[in-house]
Amino acid sequence: EVQLVESGGGLVQPGGSLRLSCAASGFTFSSYGMGWVRQAPGKGPEWVSGISHRDASTNYADSVRGRFTISRDNSKKTLFLQMNSLRVEDTAVYYCAKYGGSGFTWVLNPFDMWGQGTLVSVSS
Amino acid sequence: EIVLTQSPGTLFMSPGERATLSCRASRSVSISSLAWYQQKLGQAPRLLIYGASRRATGIPDRFSAGGSGTDFTLTVSRLEPEDFAVYFCQQYGSSPPTFGQGTKLEF
Repeated sequence: EVQLVESGGGLVQPGGSLRLSCAASGFTFSSYGMGWVRQAPGKGPEWVSGISHRDASTNYADSVRGRFTISRDNSKKTLFLQMNSLRVEDTAVYYCAKYGGSGFTWVLNPFDMWGQGTLVSVSS
Repeated sequence: EIVLTQSPGTLFMSPGERATLSCRASRSVSISSLAWYQQKLGQAPRLLIYGASRRATGIPDRFSAGGSGTDFTLTVSRLEPEDFAVYFCQQYGSSPPTFGQGTKLEF
Protein backbone atom coordinates (compact mmCIF):
# COMPACT_ATOMS: atom_id res chain seq x y z
CA GLU A 1 0.00 0.00 0.00
CA VAL A 2 1.32 3.42 -0.98
CA GLN A 3 1.58 5.56 2.12
CA LEU A 4 2.93 8.99 3.07
CA VAL A 5 3.08 9.93 6.74
CA GLU A 6 3.98 13.46 7.79
CA SER A 7 5.26 14.56 11.18
CA GLY A 8 6.83 17.59 12.81
CA GLY A 9 4.01 20.10 12.81
CA GLY A 10 3.06 22.15 15.84
CA LEU A 11 2.65 25.59 17.34
CA VAL A 12 5.50 28.04 16.83
CA GLN A 13 5.95 31.76 17.36
CA PRO A 14 6.49 34.14 14.46
CA GLY A 15 10.13 34.06 13.42
CA GLY A 16 10.55 30.51 14.65
CA SER A 17 11.49 27.32 12.82
CA LEU A 18 10.05 23.85 12.27
CA ARG A 19 11.21 20.81 10.34
CA LEU A 20 8.60 18.61 8.73
CA SER A 21 9.27 15.00 7.74
CA CYS A 22 7.39 12.64 5.46
CA ALA A 23 8.00 8.91 5.56
CA ALA A 24 7.14 7.10 2.33
CA SER A 25 6.34 3.44 1.76
CA GLY A 26 4.77 1.20 -0.85
CA PHE A 27 6.52 2.64 -3.90
CA THR A 28 10.02 3.26 -5.24
CA PHE A 29 10.63 6.58 -3.50
CA SER A 30 13.83 7.33 -5.40
CA SER A 31 11.98 7.22 -8.75
CA TYR A 32 9.53 10.06 -8.15
CA GLY A 33 9.57 13.76 -7.60
CA MET A 34 8.02 14.83 -4.31
CA GLY A 35 6.44 18.01 -3.08
CA TRP A 36 4.86 19.90 -0.23
CA VAL A 37 1.41 21.45 -0.57
CA ARG A 38 -0.28 23.48 2.15
CA GLN A 39 -3.87 24.36 2.83
CA ALA A 40 -4.98 27.16 5.10
CA PRO A 41 -8.34 26.70 6.86
CA GLY A 42 -11.21 27.05 4.40
CA LYS A 43 -8.90 27.72 1.46
CA GLY A 44 -7.76 25.85 -1.62
CA PRO A 45 -4.43 24.03 -1.61
CA GLU A 46 -1.25 26.01 -2.31
CA TRP A 47 1.86 24.39 -3.79
CA VAL A 48 4.89 25.15 -1.62
CA SER A 49 7.88 23.30 -3.03
CA GLY A 50 9.03 20.37 -5.15
CA ILE A 51 12.18 18.26 -5.44
CA SER A 52 13.26 15.98 -8.25
CA HIS A 53 14.09 12.33 -7.82
CA ARG A 54 17.19 12.49 -10.05
CA ASP A 55 19.43 15.36 -9.08
CA ALA A 56 17.47 16.75 -6.15
CA SER A 57 16.83 19.96 -8.05
CA THR A 58 14.32 22.08 -6.19
CA ASN A 59 11.73 24.75 -6.79
CA TYR A 60 9.74 26.97 -4.46
CA ALA A 61 6.71 29.19 -4.35
CA ASP A 62 7.62 32.87 -4.21
CA SER A 63 5.92 33.10 -0.81
CA VAL A 64 8.44 30.75 0.82
CA ARG A 65 11.58 31.08 -1.27
CA GLY A 66 14.57 31.93 0.90
CA ARG A 67 12.81 30.78 4.09
CA PHE A 68 11.93 27.14 3.37
CA THR A 69 14.24 24.34 2.20
CA ILE A 70 13.07 21.04 0.77
CA SER A 71 15.31 17.99 0.83
CA ARG A 72 15.09 14.22 0.62
CA ASP A 73 16.94 11.13 1.80
CA ASN A 74 16.28 8.37 -0.72
CA SER A 75 18.04 5.77 1.44
CA LYS A 76 15.54 6.42 4.23
CA LYS A 77 12.59 7.12 1.90
CA THR A 78 11.99 10.40 3.65
CA LEU A 79 11.12 13.91 2.50
CA PHE A 80 11.84 17.01 4.58
CA LEU A 81 10.79 20.63 4.73
CA GLN A 82 12.88 22.99 6.85
CA MET A 83 10.84 26.09 7.61
CA ASN A 84 12.60 29.16 8.99
CA SER A 85 11.44 32.71 9.70
CA LEU A 86 7.87 31.49 9.99
CA ARG A 87 5.05 33.99 9.59
CA VAL A 88 1.44 33.98 10.74
CA GLU A 89 0.38 33.51 7.13
CA ASP A 90 2.29 30.21 6.98
CA THR A 91 -0.36 28.67 9.24
CA ALA A 92 -1.85 25.71 7.39
CA VAL A 93 -2.05 21.95 7.11
CA TYR A 94 1.05 20.84 5.25
CA TYR A 95 0.74 17.82 2.99
CA CYS A 96 3.52 15.71 1.55
CA ALA A 97 2.59 14.67 -1.97
CA LYS A 98 3.99 12.42 -4.68
CA TYR A 99 4.21 13.63 -8.27
CA GLY A 100 2.41 11.24 -10.58
CA GLY A 101 5.20 10.84 -13.12
CA SER A 102 8.92 10.30 -13.32
CA GLY A 103 11.57 11.15 -15.86
CA PHE A 104 12.80 14.54 -16.92
CA THR A 105 9.29 16.01 -16.93
CA TRP A 106 8.57 14.98 -13.36
CA VAL A 107 7.31 18.44 -12.44
CA LEU A 108 4.66 18.42 -15.17
CA ASN A 109 2.46 15.98 -13.30
CA PRO A 110 -0.40 16.12 -10.84
CA PHE A 111 -0.08 14.78 -7.31
CA ASP A 112 -1.36 11.20 -7.28
CA MET A 113 -0.76 10.47 -3.61
CA TRP A 114 -1.01 12.68 -0.54
CA GLY A 115 -0.23 12.18 3.13
CA GLN A 116 -2.75 12.88 5.86
CA GLY A 117 -1.18 16.26 6.60
CA THR A 118 0.42 17.92 9.61
CA LEU A 119 -0.80 21.18 11.12
CA VAL A 120 1.56 24.12 11.42
CA SER A 121 0.27 27.00 13.53
CA VAL A 122 2.27 30.23 13.71
CA SER A 123 1.04 32.50 16.46
CA SER A 124 2.32 34.58 19.33
CA GLU B 1 0.97 32.53 -12.43
CA ILE B 2 -2.23 31.00 -13.77
CA VAL B 3 -5.26 31.79 -11.62
CA LEU B 4 -8.01 29.17 -11.57
CA THR B 5 -11.55 30.26 -10.78
CA GLN B 6 -14.09 27.59 -9.88
CA SER B 7 -17.85 27.97 -10.04
CA PRO B 8 -20.18 27.73 -8.37
CA GLY B 9 -18.76 28.06 -4.86
CA THR B 10 -21.41 25.70 -3.54
CA LEU B 11 -23.63 23.38 -5.51
CA PHE B 12 -26.74 22.00 -3.82
CA MET B 13 -27.69 18.62 -5.27
CA SER B 14 -29.43 15.39 -4.36
CA PRO B 15 -28.28 11.78 -4.76
CA GLY B 16 -28.96 10.47 -8.24
CA GLU B 17 -28.70 13.88 -9.87
CA ARG B 18 -26.06 15.03 -12.35
CA ALA B 19 -23.59 17.67 -11.19
CA THR B 20 -21.41 19.86 -13.40
CA LEU B 21 -18.54 21.87 -11.93
CA SER B 22 -16.57 24.53 -13.77
CA CYS B 23 -12.92 25.64 -13.67
CA ARG B 24 -11.74 28.64 -15.65
CA ALA B 25 -8.09 29.58 -16.10
CA SER B 26 -6.70 33.12 -16.43
CA ARG B 27 -4.71 31.97 -19.46
CA SER B 28 -4.49 28.82 -21.52
CA VAL B 29 -3.45 25.66 -19.66
CA SER B 30 -0.66 23.99 -21.61
CA ILE B 31 -1.04 20.42 -22.91
CA SER B 32 -4.38 20.13 -21.08
CA SER B 33 -2.41 19.78 -17.85
CA LEU B 34 -5.49 20.07 -15.70
CA ALA B 35 -6.40 17.83 -12.76
CA TRP B 36 -9.40 17.48 -10.47
CA TYR B 37 -9.27 16.42 -6.83
CA GLN B 38 -11.92 15.43 -4.32
CA GLN B 39 -11.49 16.34 -0.67
CA LYS B 40 -13.67 15.11 2.15
CA LEU B 41 -13.75 16.79 5.56
CA GLY B 42 -10.56 16.17 7.50
CA GLN B 43 -8.94 14.22 4.68
CA ALA B 44 -6.28 14.90 2.08
CA PRO B 45 -7.24 15.61 -1.51
CA ARG B 46 -7.62 12.56 -3.77
CA LEU B 47 -6.74 12.69 -7.45
CA LEU B 48 -9.78 12.04 -9.65
CA ILE B 49 -8.85 13.31 -13.11
CA TYR B 50 -5.59 14.24 -14.86
CA GLY B 51 -4.79 15.37 -18.38
CA ALA B 52 -8.14 17.18 -18.34
CA SER B 53 -10.15 14.01 -19.01
CA ARG B 54 -8.32 10.87 -17.81
CA ARG B 55 -9.65 9.12 -14.72
CA ALA B 56 -7.08 8.20 -12.11
CA THR B 57 -6.75 4.62 -10.94
CA GLY B 58 -9.83 3.34 -9.16
CA ILE B 59 -12.06 6.31 -9.94
CA PRO B 60 -15.60 5.21 -10.93
CA ASP B 61 -16.82 6.03 -14.41
CA ARG B 62 -19.60 8.27 -13.13
CA PHE B 63 -16.83 10.90 -12.91
CA SER B 64 -15.97 12.46 -16.26
CA ALA B 65 -14.22 15.63 -17.27
CA GLY B 66 -13.29 17.65 -20.30
CA GLY B 67 -12.29 20.97 -21.68
CA SER B 68 -9.22 22.67 -23.08
CA GLY B 69 -7.54 26.03 -23.18
CA THR B 70 -9.10 28.04 -20.38
CA ASP B 71 -12.40 26.24 -19.72
CA PHE B 72 -12.74 22.88 -18.03
CA THR B 73 -15.60 20.92 -16.47
CA LEU B 74 -16.03 17.99 -14.11
CA THR B 75 -19.26 16.02 -14.31
CA VAL B 76 -20.62 13.50 -11.84
CA SER B 77 -23.34 11.68 -13.73
CA ARG B 78 -25.30 10.08 -10.86
CA LEU B 79 -24.41 11.41 -7.45
CA GLU B 80 -23.79 8.89 -4.73
CA PRO B 81 -23.88 9.89 -1.03
CA GLU B 82 -20.08 9.56 -0.84
CA ASP B 83 -19.61 12.14 -3.64
CA PHE B 84 -20.66 15.06 -1.45
CA ALA B 85 -17.33 16.77 -0.83
CA VAL B 86 -15.19 19.68 -2.00
CA TYR B 87 -13.66 19.53 -5.48
CA PHE B 88 -10.54 21.40 -6.58
CA CYS B 89 -9.02 21.87 -10.00
CA GLN B 90 -5.26 22.23 -10.48
CA GLN B 91 -3.10 23.20 -13.44
CA TYR B 92 0.37 21.67 -13.56
CA GLY B 93 1.55 22.71 -17.01
CA SER B 94 3.04 26.03 -15.95
CA SER B 95 5.15 26.93 -12.96
CA PRO B 96 4.04 27.42 -10.28
CA PRO B 97 1.31 24.78 -10.23
CA THR B 98 -1.89 26.39 -8.97
CA PHE B 99 -5.22 25.27 -7.52
CA GLY B 100 -8.70 26.67 -7.67
CA GLN B 101 -10.53 27.76 -4.54
CA GLY B 102 -12.90 24.80 -4.69
CA THR B 103 -16.55 23.92 -5.26
CA LYS B 104 -18.46 22.37 -2.39
CA LEU B 105 -20.97 19.76 -3.46
CA GLU B 106 -23.65 19.83 -0.80
CA PHE B 107 -26.74 17.72 -0.19
